[in-house]
Amino acid sequence: DVKVTQSSRYLVKRTGEKVFLECVQDMDHENMFWYRQDPGLGLRLIYFSYDVKMKEKGDIPEGYSVSREKKERFSLILESASTNQTSMYLCASRPRLKGLELFFGSGTQLSVL
Amino acid sequence: DQQVKQNSPSLSVQEGRISILNCDYTNSMFDYFLWYKKYPAEGPTFLISISSIKDKNEDGRFTVFLNKSAKHLSLHIVPSQPGDSAVYFCAASALGTGGFKTIFGAGTRLFVKA
Repeated sequence: DVKVTQSSRYLVKRTGEKVFLECVQDMDHENMFWYRQDPGLGLRLIYFSYDVKMKEKGDIPEGYSVSREKKERFSLILESASTNQTSMYLCASRPRLKGLELFFGSGTQLSVL
Repeated sequence: DQQVKQNSPSLSVQEGRISILNCDYTNSMFDYFLWYKKYPAEGPTFLISISSIKDKNEDGRFTVFLNKSAKHLSLHIVPSQPGDSAVYFCAASALGTGGFKTIFGAGTRLFVKA
């Protein structure tokens, strides 16, 4: 079974802090994604990566950056957390050439106070 | 501007009856459409998909219908069971540079009453 693991289930941070959200997948998938889920807005794509050291902006990249130094790990960085970044963050992965199904982690609920 | 729209935030259905969840999209470049199911405190899980060249795909109790001319798809669950109570997300994928990008709708919360 594919496993996508997000390092924290719940996180509480202060405004202005730098925040790191970590995601690791164990199935050698090339593609990895970060989404945020907000009520009434569904899942919105923040950033994605098609390979190591490659990244592309999604629909709402402002205020975020990412890092993909190793194939299995994709990190989302909030350079200076703000209250409007309070959300559920979901990481997903997918093999490049095999199907379109995304495999999701359980999510990190981030609260910025 | 939302490219994938689920206009019903919630739906309540009696156990054993049919559940119909609807989804509309605006981008004619989408190649594949998928439905995901999400329980509280868990990540979404893939349910069923359909290619843009088909108009129907069936998997057990779940059937997805695609009407390309209307840019509309629907998920039918027959018969509905209490364990189907969850949030259902419609998603659409289009090929871009480097691979497929997936866009999600806002979700519909399904309640199946016993």
